Amino acid sequence: DSGVTQTPKHLITATGQRVTLRCSPRSGDLSVYWYQQSLDQGLQFLIQYYNGEERAKGNILERFSAQQFPDLHSELNLSSLELGDSALYFCASSVGTSGRTGELFFGEGSRLTVL
Amino acid sequence: GIQVEQSPPDLILQEGANSTLRCNFSDSVNNLQWFHQNPWGQLINLFYIPSGTKQNGRLSATTVATERYSLLYISSSQTTDSGVYFCAVEWGGATNKLIFGTGTLLAVQP
Repeated sequence: DSGVTQTPKHLITATGQRVTLRCSPRSGDLSVYWYQQSLDQGLQFLIQYYNGEERAKGNILERFSAQQFPDLHSELNLSSLELGDSALYFCASSVGTSGRTGELFFGEGSRLTVL
Repeated sequence: GIQVEQSPPDLILQEGANSTLRCNFSDSVNNLQWFHQNPWGQLINLFYIPSGTKQNGRLSATTVATERYSLLYISSSQTTDSGVYFCAVEWGGATNKLIFGTGTLLAVQP
């Protein structure tokens, strides 16, 4: 158990819908990272927050958004879902500073299936 | 951007065999980690190793940052070692994120 909690573990929804994925970091970790893993793209970095502020952005679609709340949990919102958004979405956390990642620990992931 | 290449892409071993997985990266890095993704999809930390050598049971890792590569050694492999092994780096040109390699798919047969 990494200490990073993600919900839900599985989610099936239809095209055009919106979903929210939730992540609770390890106790004491200020940084949260979101990754997408699909069969054809591998593990892709989406976005990172440090103590509530966005610090790094990857290839995150405009239909996707995220935030980190004062209690440090984070949510990834995916809207206008398309078939190609079906993937495993991982959250990770670290004690890293605002400028470095430190050691990342991953949650078990949320498997999204868009039908 | 930085390129992270892993080799071999696939590997089949008999239980008890040893193996070496390699990760090459094209630029200097601040951080390097090895992960194991098991058949259930979980990403498990193996090593945080920006430089030097570490050992944990049957696994060990070495990173030679000046030569831009890292090696993961698996000794006396077991069927539970099966899965995908990823290395991931934090590149100095784009901090605050780990960039993953394409992985090595390992299958250990009984």
